[in-house]
Amino acid sequence: QKEVEQNSGPLSVPEGAIASLNCTYSDRGSQSFFWYRQYSGKSPELIMFIYSNGDKEDGRFTAQLNKASQYVSLLIRDSQPSDSATYLCAVVKGGYQKVTFGTGTKLQVIP
Amino acid sequence: SAVISQKPSRDICQRGTSLTIQCQVDSQVTMMFWYRQQPGQSLTLIATANQGSEATYESGFVIDKFPISRPNLTFSTLTVSNMSPEDSSIYLCSVRGDRVSTGELFFGEGSRLTVL
Repeated sequence: QKEVEQNSGPLSVPEGAIASLNCTYSDRGSQSFFWYRQYSGKSPELIMFIYSNGDKEDGRFTAQLNKASQYVSLLIRDSQPSDSATYLCAVVKGGYQKVTFGTGTKLQVIP
Repeated sequence: SAVISQKPSRDICQRGTSLTIQCQVDSQVTMMFWYRQQPGQSLTLIATANQGSEATYESGFVIDKFPISRPNLTFSTLTVSNMSPEDSSIYLCSVRGDRVSTGELFFGEGSRLTVL
């Protein structure tokens, strides 16, 4: 079982719709959760992080965490073609704080 | 945020040769991280480079294959030794952000290596 699992996609959504990206993790001791965006040929950049169960909103982005289900998601409202990228879920355990990445979900926003 | 410069940005290498990737950060940092991203795969941590001590390697990565130097708090190198086509990948240098507790990482632009 992979430590961090994501559907590779591609996930295609029409412009203006809500894109929902999902991630599960295996280690119940995980404490911090991150979403990185990676445009083709570019490096990943952090867009959201969440520590506590529930929702965290930042502009058009909402991160959702359910530790009981070991599940974290990212919602992108009013999706734009510029949101087309690969979204990487990342998890940090306590102590050493090694960051473990999922394989990413490719999102395509269709104009 | 941190500005990270990596070079080379890309290279084509022959089997059996070695290549050194350089990473320069615009501020002093305690730890620098080297990741590999193979085609269609996620980011995999190779090692953590600390100034003044040996690098810490992750499972599956060894110093003989990926020697790392960390001569000061702003610079590190990763060498990919005795390359084979399986080493074709993007290699990324990374540092933590100021918000240490968040685990935020900043990445260089990456070095894309193709081994023939």
